[in-house]
Amino acid sequence: NAGVTQTPKFQVLKTGQSMTLQCAQDMNHEYMSWYRQDPGMGLRLIHYSVGAGITDQGEVPNGYNVSRSTTEDFPLRLLSAAPSQTSVYFCASSKQGQAKSPEYFGPGTRLTVT
Amino acid sequence: KNQVEQSPQSLIILEGKNCTLQCNYTVSPFSNLRWYKQDTGRGPVSLTIMTFSENTKSNGRYTATLDADTKQSSLHITASQLSDSASYICVVSIQTGANNLFFGTGTRLTVIP
Repeated sequence: NAGVTQTPKFQVLKTGQSMTLQCAQDMNHEYMSWYRQDPGMGLRLIHYSVGAGITDQGEVPNGYNVSRSTTEDFPLRLLSAAPSQTSVYFCASSKQGQAKSPEYFGPGTRLTVT
Repeated sequence: KNQVEQSPQSLIILEGKNCTLQCNYTVSPFSNLRWYKQDTGRGPVSLTIMTFSENTKSNGRYTATLDADTKQSSLHITASQLSDSASYICVVSIQTGANNLFFGTGTRLTVIP
């Protein structure tokens, strides 16, 4: 199994540009999440999904959209990039949900917005 | 307010030595506590998960303890290796709601030869 994969690994955007961060998992996990990690702060939840067709907001959802058309894929869209969205983004999946089973994290996407 | 605090922020130890990392939390209602290891430039990897009834759990040279009464946990690393250099993140989950994970900011461990 490849586990959780993310693309791209690095990305530089100009303010106002849009892009999609890709995330896929091959473990047949129902739960998937997106986090951002900033220096000096813990991981913060952006959006999550409890299954195909179901998504919900996390702690810091503004400026991001998600969709879950299949169990495997959970893309994160930045609508109009801002410098405050410069961060490292992690996608994660788990079998039974965040509180009940360990999360498996992808390798991350390092995003810089200029 | 639900919070997870870790100490120290950073730690440097000699290869072969032991060390202990601390995690204090005010999260309620408690569900479980987990420790993750995050290598530089990689995603976190789960080391241990402990529920309310478990007060110790080991994973190789890593041993986590939990005192649910004082709301404290520790991660003890025995006979450290250079590959233990990483950030160690304490995460506490609550029983209710969907946004139910609370992350500490991590302890950055550097093991030097």
